[in-house]
Amino acid sequence: GQSLEQPSEVTAVEGAIVQINCTYQTSGFYGLSWYQQHDGGAPTFLSYNALDGLEETGRFSSFLSRSDSYGYLLLQELQMKDSASYFCAVKTGGGKLIFGQGTELSVKP
Amino acid sequence: EAQVTQNPRYLITVTGKKLTVTCSQNMNHEYMSWYRQDPGLGLRQIYYSMNVEVTDKGDVPEGYKVSRKEKRNFPLILESPSPNQTSLYFCASGSSSYEQYFGPGTRLTVT
Repeated sequence: GQSLEQPSEVTAVEGAIVQINCTYQTSGFYGLSWYQQHDGGAPTFLSYNALDGLEETGRFSSFLSRSDSYGYLLLQELQMKDSASYFCAVKTGGGKLIFGQGTELSVKP
Repeated sequence: EAQVTQNPRYLITVTGKKLTVTCSQNMNHEYMSWYRQDPGLGLRQIYYSMNVEVTDKGDVPEGYKVSRKEKRNFPLILESPSPNQTSLYFCASGSSSYEQYFGPGTRLTVT
């Protein structure tokens, strides 16, 4: 089967740094994406890693280790508006994208 | 404004009554996809399309049909809806499958 594992909930305080991990077992792998979703609204794309290493986009960074089938999303200088659900997703081939079950991040003042 | 639109946004229907959820994008994307989202299950891909007249199954295609006759439109058809298809549905498009722009969602209830 195919599976992506990520923590269901994470809590952090404003201004802190938080890391959301994602491990995957899929039949194919072309890259790992991250999406943010506020309260059942439209998911929005954050980042994509096809190669090992760290990608930085402002306060958000994403990391991938293909040999470990592992990646993470790092959020720095947390703000209240970062409270949302975060999904990792694996591009397995063609047009297929498999999502994890999501991590609900709560940012406290 | 670049966007993906879906209609209707909310729909309550009865078992067996055929319905179509429309999806349209104005970004000239070749790739489009449909997802359903259920509590605790994340987003699950129903169908996707790499280009006009090219569609393929995602992970949960049973009970759904799609068509891609024009680049901008990708309707989702439920020929005989059942209560287990009650869900939040998202359409998405992108220049690639890994970076997708999502529509606002359609909340479907089948009684």
